Amino acid sequence: NAGVTQTPKFRILKIGQSMTLQCAQDMNHNYMYWYRQDPGMGLKLIYYSVGAGITDKGEVPNGYNVSRSTTEDFPLRLELAAPSQTSVYFCASRTVTEAFFGQGTRLTVV
Amino acid sequence: ELKVEQNPLFLSMQEGKNYTIYCNYSTTSDRLYWYRQDPGKSLESLFVLLSNGAVKQEGRLMASLDTKARLSTLHITAAVHDLSATYFCAVGLGGSEKLVFGKGTKLTVNP
Repeated sequence: NAGVTQTPKFRILKIGQSMTLQCAQDMNHNYMYWYRQDPGMGLKLIYYSVGAGITDKGEVPNGYNVSRSTTEDFPLRLELAAPSQTSVYFCASRTVTEAFFGQGTRLTVV
Repeated sequence: ELKVEQNPLFLSMQEGKNYTIYCNYSTTSDRLYWYRQDPGKSLESLFVLLSNGAVKQEGRLMASLDTKARLSTLHITAAVHDLSATYFCAVGLGGSEKLVFGKGTKLTVNP
């Protein structure tokens, strides 16, 4: 039972580069989320999705894009990476009652 | 806008002592979660509280929810070193699918 799988685990980007953080879940959950966690801070919601084809902005969506073409996958796209996007990114999916988190992607923009 | 406030943000306690972490939120919610995070790790689900007056216990941790006061507590009984971690509460915004986190409470239990 894989749960929520994020790839890659670590990545270093140069300023202005782009990349996609992958998130996949095998629990058939409709709800999926992307959060970022800055050092010593809580989690801030970037984007979320309530089902395939439906996405919405969270607290800090600027500089990011998402898509949800299938129930399983919810990739997060960074365009024109900036140092302010250095963070740990967590993907989560949930049932009505419980949320499950991936292991995180540690991204550094230099 | 839903705001979630935890206090204290830092807590240093001795083994064997009791303490409570508080989570206040600003608007109507239909679910509240408590998570544990160890350094460099992901979040581990501890409790899900879905109704007013809900109380859940696991080992030395007990969580409760008062929806009228918009307050949840995480009570630690007879703390042990293994409980050292950062604890987050997260609140589901009523009528929405958003889940908003507090800033976390970094707990250190000293021998």
